[in-house]
Amino acid sequence: DVVMTQSPLSLPVTLGQPASVSCRSSQSLVHSDGNTYLNWFQQRPGQSPRRLIYKVSKRDSGVPDRFSGSGSGTDFTLKISKVEAEDVGVYYCMQGTQWPWTFGQGTKVEIK
Amino acid sequence: EVQLVESGGGLVQPGGSLRLSCAASGFTVSSNYMSWFRQAPGKGLEWVSVIYSGGSSHYADSVKGRFTISRDNTKNTLYLQMNSLRTEDTAVYYCARDLVGWGQGTLVTVSS
Repeated sequence: DVVMTQSPLSLPVTLGQPASVSCRSSQSLVHSDGNTYLNWFQQRPGQSPRRLIYKVSKRDSGVPDRFSGSGSGTDFTLKISKVEAEDVGVYYCMQGTQWPWTFGQGTKVEIK
Repeated sequence: EVQLVESGGGLVQPGGSLRLSCAASGFTVSSNYMSWFRQAPGKGLEWVSVIYSGGSSHYADSVKGRFTISRDNTKNTLYLQMNSLRTEDTAVYYCARDLVGWGQGTLVTVSS
């Protein structure tokens, strides 16, 4: 199985400041079709998960442009340009390139 | 409006069975790929199963041979038949459409 490793696991941030979450996979996430199926999800407290980013850097509809994804191969990053109060929650990366689909452990973003 | 509503969770003894339902509205279940995920209490997300529009399906190793994903196109509903349940299957189970739209989840507790 592809192991997804996120860091940090806890991220205290100041409102208005940037935040960055790293996700590394144990194998390349480049699919034989040329796509890289790396997703980012947000789970706010008490809510269901919500996908923010797919295929490394494509934002889902309605996702604020302060969220961005980047990376390639085995190293990926989710960045929040200026953290807002509503961004508090746990962020997960998930690979959909190889079976079984696997998630990172999650990174808890909280306000300092 | 796209909506997913899970039901069927509850308390079951080890070795027992449950069938989860995910009623969809605002789109056609058979035209999308539909997934089940779960989240054990206080833990991260885990992918369980997926069924594609063509009918093919995949399972996590932890549930293979015990769980079956299916859909009823006339009822526009996704199902997860869970047999031989174990205590480690205790979790909130979510259904999702194309990884984008998620339901509110239904809690399954496996305990004697």
